[in-house]
Amino acid sequence: GQQLNQSPQSMFIQEGEDVSMNCTSSSIFNTWLWYKQDPGEGPVLLIALYKAGELTSNGRLTAQFGITRKDSFLNISASIPSDVGIYFCAGPPTGNQFYFGTGTSLTVIP
Amino acid sequence: EAGVTQSPTHLIKTRGQQATLRCSPISGHTSVYWYQQALGLGLQFLLWYDEGEERNRGNFPPRFSGRQFPNYSSELNVNALELEDSALYLCASTILRVRGEQFFGPGTRLTVL
Repeated sequence: GQQLNQSPQSMFIQEGEDVSMNCTSSSIFNTWLWYKQDPGEGPVLLIALYKAGELTSNGRLTAQFGITRKDSFLNISASIPSDVGIYFCAGPPTGNQFYFGTGTSLTVIP
Repeated sequence: EAGVTQSPTHLIKTRGQQATLRCSPISGHTSVYWYQQALGLGLQFLLWYDEGEERNRGNFPPRFSGRQFPNYSSELNVNALELEDSALYLCASTILRVRGEQFFGPGTRLTVL
């Protein structure tokens, strides 16, 4: 089935550092979504992308829809302790089946 | 506007029993998805309901089933519980034909002893 590969799998960074993570697909996507999940809670939608090459920001978060439509990137600037969590990419390849990435676990050291 | 709600928050069952989990979508959302998330792992797609019909299911045995009611709320049933069914079960809703973003509930933590 559809595979969404996220990298890195985990990150340990100092507070104030910038973070970059990416997601690649084996299929073309027409939507890319980025979610954050805190332990024991449901994922929260951070950013949605709908057009190849699109660059969208949400506060300190910036995400880009890759021009090949098979990848997406999420950047977090000036990380803070509350950025800790697991970040998932997601998106429907065709039709309405949704797939989620393997997740990137972020730890911010104060 | 209320978000997606799920009940119960926690559920403890023993092996062989049946579990019923409930989900109420955001008002106006007609599509409900169910996911299983085992501890430390990613989200595994379980079931998708839209307009009262099951539209798709993931790679799970038939003892995982559910339904969607006329008010678009949904129920997930897990029969003959096994130890490996212990997980966080997440429900998400979306307005299927508009953009496609899914909005998640807080989840139900199912523990099978």
